[in-house]
Amino acid sequence: GESVGLHLPTLSVQEGDNSIINCAYSNSASDYFIWYKQESGKGPQFIIDIRSNMDKRQGQRVTVLLNKTVKHLSLQIAATQPGDSAVYFCAEHSGGGADGLTFGKGTHLIIQP
Amino acid sequence: AAGVIQSPRHLIKEKRETATLKCYPIPRHDTVYWYQQGPGQDPQFLISFYEKMQSDKGSIPDRFSAQQFSDYHSELNMSSLELGDSALYFCASSPSPQGVEQYFGPGTRLTVT
Repeated sequence: GESVGLHLPTLSVQEGDNSIINCAYSNSASDYFIWYKQESGKGPQFIIDIRSNMDKRQGQRVTVLLNKTVKHLSLQIAATQPGDSAVYFCAEHSGGGADGLTFGKGTHLIIQP
Repeated sequence: AAGVIQSPRHLIKEKRETATLKCYPIPRHDTVYWYQQGPGQDPQFLISFYEKMQSDKGSIPDRFSAQQFSDYHSELNMSSLELGDSALYFCASSPSPQGVEQYFGPGTRLTVT
């Protein structure tokens, strides 16, 4: 079936550098694409979402880019901090109210001091 | 701020036993979702409820059932437990009508021996 997946399982960056986490999706019918952060022992935490009719959205220190032509989603984190260490998941939502999320494989972001 | 509450946080059961997981959504959230996350895996959507009615169904086994009560809390009932059911079970809630930004609870870790 259709799925959402990630290219890299682990990403190690220096504190203060920018991080880019990538995701490939295959369900072009999804209306929203979302990034979640999951710290060890905790539930996923919403970071930012982007609707399918947009190609860029910025939040606080994060930017999400959507390229529908190649079905690619990325999360950019500026000036990474130790607290950014976590597993990051991309997910997709159909846009229907109570529909479940389809998560991709996570990327473990490691911040080096 | 109030978060999603799940109980119990840890549960150990033997094969073929039953288990009941509880979820208390954020106040004024009327939509509840259940996810299963195996070790090192992404969360898999099981089922969702909106206003006490089943809304969306994912990969929930027939051995599992769930419901949402009049106070909006939800219970996931699991019968004939198998070793493969060992996982983290997350509940999430969202305010209607959208479900893009879902707020996850801390999870229940179920171990089946």
